[in-house]
Amino acid sequence: GAVVSQHPSRVICKSGTSVKIECRSLDFQATTMFWYRQFPKQSLMLMATSNEGSKATYEQGVEKDKFLINHASLTLSTLTVTSAHPEDSSFYICSALKGPVNTEAFFGQGTRLTVV
Amino acid sequence: EDQVTQSPEALRLQEGESSSLNCSYTVSGLRGLFWYRQDPGKGPEFLFTLYSAGEEKEKERLKATLTKKESFLHITAPKPEDSATYLCAVQASGGSGYSTLTFGKGTMLLVSP
Repeated sequence: GAVVSQHPSRVICKSGTSVKIECRSLDFQATTMFWYRQFPKQSLMLMATSNEGSKATYEQGVEKDKFLINHASLTLSTLTVTSAHPEDSSFYICSALKGPVNTEAFFGQGTRLTVV
Repeated sequence: EDQVTQSPEALRLQEGESSSLNCSYTVSGLRGLFWYRQDPGKGPEFLFTLYSAGEEKEKERLKATLTKKESFLHITAPKPEDSATYLCAVQASGGSGYSTLTFGKGTMLLVSP
């Protein structure tokens, strides 16, 4: 199997603070990881593609200075939501590619972020 | 622009009552169509990948089929534990081997005992 672990599963933070979410591939190396955001009853929306050792590629409309992505190793990518606001409250999900082609992207269990 | 539309948005079935979920897609060229299961508060769990029209795949009570315009997820004699949101996603051809996935909004399935 392929296991992707995301931490934390839930976080509540105050408006204006920063929150870091970790995504780890536990039993395989992932050159590429993806970060998604999902609002209630909406589809997963890709935020950015994270490549190990290089800068992330952000989707149109996603602020790179607000959503900082670091992929420092082949098993870990982090998403930092900086200066969080209530509208950033959402379900954030990462996925990791086990191989060079996207035959099976393995997802983390998600992080529920609530900004108060 | 790639688009994925899933229907119905929600489906309530009695245990044992078979049905199908639909995923209609528009993509410049299809590399693969993916089905995932998502439980509340969890990340998606991979079910199937289909690559070409006419292809079918089965797993327990689930069977996925693919045409040039849509995919169906057939659920035979469902059980309450099949209750979840089922997501469909497409991957366009071209570019690198891992071009990104475009997801539909999902179908929320509830199976009552």
